[in-house]
Amino acid sequence: DGGITQSPKYLFRKEGQNVTLSCEQNLNHDAMYWYRQDPGQGLRLIYYSQIVNDFQKGDIAEGYSVSREKKESFPLTVTSAQKNPTAFYLCASTEPFGGELFFGEGSRLTVL
Amino acid sequence: AQRVTQPEKLLSVFKGAPVELKCNYSYSGSPELFWYVQYSRQRLQLLLRHISRESIKGFTADLNKGETSFHLKKPFAQEEDSAMYYCASLGGGGNKLTFGTGTQLKVEL
Repeated sequence: DGGITQSPKYLFRKEGQNVTLSCEQNLNHDAMYWYRQDPGQGLRLIYYSQIVNDFQKGDIAEGYSVSREKKESFPLTVTSAQKNPTAFYLCASTEPFGGELFFGEGSRLTVL
Repeated sequence: AQRVTQPEKLLSVFKGAPVELKCNYSYSGSPELFWYVQYSRQRLQLLLRHISRESIKGFTADLNKGETSFHLKKPFAQEEDSAMYYCASLGGGGNKLTFGTGTQLKVEL
């Protein structure tokens, strides 16, 4: 079954802890993205990667980090430096240059 | 920076009534524009893109460069159209999509 898989779906963490959200795709897409979805604010781009071993900051990268060691994987780490980490996180992928974005089901992070 | 504006957070219409979801963009070049939809308990997915000029599920959207708008329209709303709709713009290099804040469409019987 082709697509994007995000895990975990729900995650709780204590303040001061780092947490890593997984995103895997088997669509053979080069480009992958992380968005944050908050009520009333739409989707805001955190990081994106257009090719393996390369990534760029999006609009709200502070407090987050990513890696892109494999084409199919683009994990996002929410660090303790992120001031307001409780949110719904969406991963997406696309073929290069403006193809349709395919989204995962999302991961909801709650910081206690 | 690109900006996509969706002025309505919530739009409520009756079944069979026309629907227009507003979207304005700020990119001064030639953007590619999209509408994405998120039905309850489903993934965010592409509804339509201006470049293909298609009608999907009865929805159409026309790019108006003079007004920098890309409003989504449907002549007769159906109950199954109830969802969150996001307008998005691709442009300015970097192959990244900028989304609006979304409009929740509620179709009432």
